[in-house]
Amino acid sequence: NAGVTQTPEFQVLKTGQSMTLQCAQDMNHEYMSWYRQDPGMGLRLIHYSVGAGITDQGEVPNGYNVSRSTTEDFPLRLLSAAPSQTSVYFCASSQRALAQETQYFGPGTRLLVL
Amino acid sequence: EDQVTQSPEALRLQEGESSSLNCSYTVSGLRGLFWYRQDPGKGPEFLFTLYSAGEEKEKERLKATLTKKESFLHITAPKPEDSATYLCAVQAPIGYNKLIFGAGTRLAVHP
Repeated sequence: NAGVTQTPEFQVLKTGQSMTLQCAQDMNHEYMSWYRQDPGMGLRLIHYSVGAGITDQGEVPNGYNVSRSTTEDFPLRLLSAAPSQTSVYFCASSQRALAQETQYFGPGTRLLVL
Repeated sequence: EDQVTQSPEALRLQEGESSSLNCSYTVSGLRGLFWYRQDPGKGPEFLFTLYSAGEEKEKERLKATLTKKESFLHITAPKPEDSATYLCAVQAPIGYNKLIFGAGTRLAVHP
């Protein structure tokens, strides 16, 4: 099993550009989520999904869109990048739609918005 | 407001010098408290889940404990390979499918 994979590893964007961060898992997990991690702050939840076709907002959803058309994939879209979105983005998954389940994290995508 | 605070922000230890990291929380109706380890440039790696006050879990040199207001991660005789950032997170009933993370404690163990 590859676990949770994320692409790209690094990305530089200009303000106003759009892009999609990819996340995939091969563990047949129902629950997937996106976090951002900024210096001095804890991981903050952006969006999450409890199964294919079902998504919901987390703590900091503004400026981001998600969709879940398959169990395996959970892409995160930045519609119009802003410097405030410079961060490290982590995707995570767990077996069931309960946060008490062990969450497995991907390696992260480091995003710089100029 | 649900909140998780970790202390200290950074901790420097000599190899073999035992210590504890603290995670204090204010949530109504804790459903679970989680400890993760994060190495530089990598995603968090799950260590422990604690569900009720008095519960303890161990893994190698690490032992996690839980009270009604805080959790401790005790590190016994640490080695340089224990150097990492340790993250604490809680799950509360409201926002049932969500975790609230603390900012972490950066641990450096020197030989």
